[in-house]
Amino acid sequence: GAVVSQHPSRVICKSGTSVKIECRSLDFQATTMFWYRQFPKQSLMLMATSNEGSKATYEQGVEKDKFLINHASLTLSTLTVTSAHPEDSSFYICSAGTGGDQPQHFGDGTRLSIL
Amino acid sequence: GQQLNQSPQSMFIQEGEDVSMNCTSSSIFNTWLWYKQEPGEGPVLLIALYKAGELTSNGRLTAQFGITRKDSFLNISASIPSDVGIYFCAGSFSSNTGKLIFGQGTTLQVKP
Repeated sequence: GAVVSQHPSRVICKSGTSVKIECRSLDFQATTMFWYRQFPKQSLMLMATSNEGSKATYEQGVEKDKFLINHASLTLSTLTVTSAHPEDSSFYICSAGTGGDQPQHFGDGTRLSIL
Repeated sequence: GQQLNQSPQSMFIQEGEDVSMNCTSSSIFNTWLWYKQEPGEGPVLLIALYKAGELTSNGRLTAQFGITRKDSFLNISASIPSDVGIYFCAGSFSSNTGKLIFGQGTTLQVKP
């Protein structure tokens, strides 16, 4: 149980392109999903908390107009990297939990490479 | 952003040896979690700890929630080659928000 699916697993695109990443909870409902960013050989850094039916909460230093988050249902959150540039290249990972202090389960990540 | 202090940063051990890693924080956490990440994949939950002093095992893995609620350790006994990966501790301040703060990770390499 507690499977989180992330799609696509890898994206390579030109600078200026907008890229959408999907995060789905397959066998449970997630009122809250989280989006992380991980650079090579570094830890996961929380970007934003995605709340179903309301606006996402962004961490300090994360541009909300750059990283658009939509959590339209209890099983799907999307992250759109708008007008991506090479410095946006990273490993983006989502997680979801059933709430409270239950542990989060992570997707397999999306490797984003901007040329 | 805020991070936990995780050590050691990396370990290179012989198969069969025991491994120990730990995380400390200046803040009190309500929950401690330990994850393992392999290259190109997301972290996989190993052990979740919810009470100060709690000691929990998952096969060859044992983790404890420090009594001060500011630290946790993970032990791996009788390591095998498939234990290779990056191990992360993560702490949660609040059971309501669910936000996790991650340690810097411990890279484990096991020599057969």
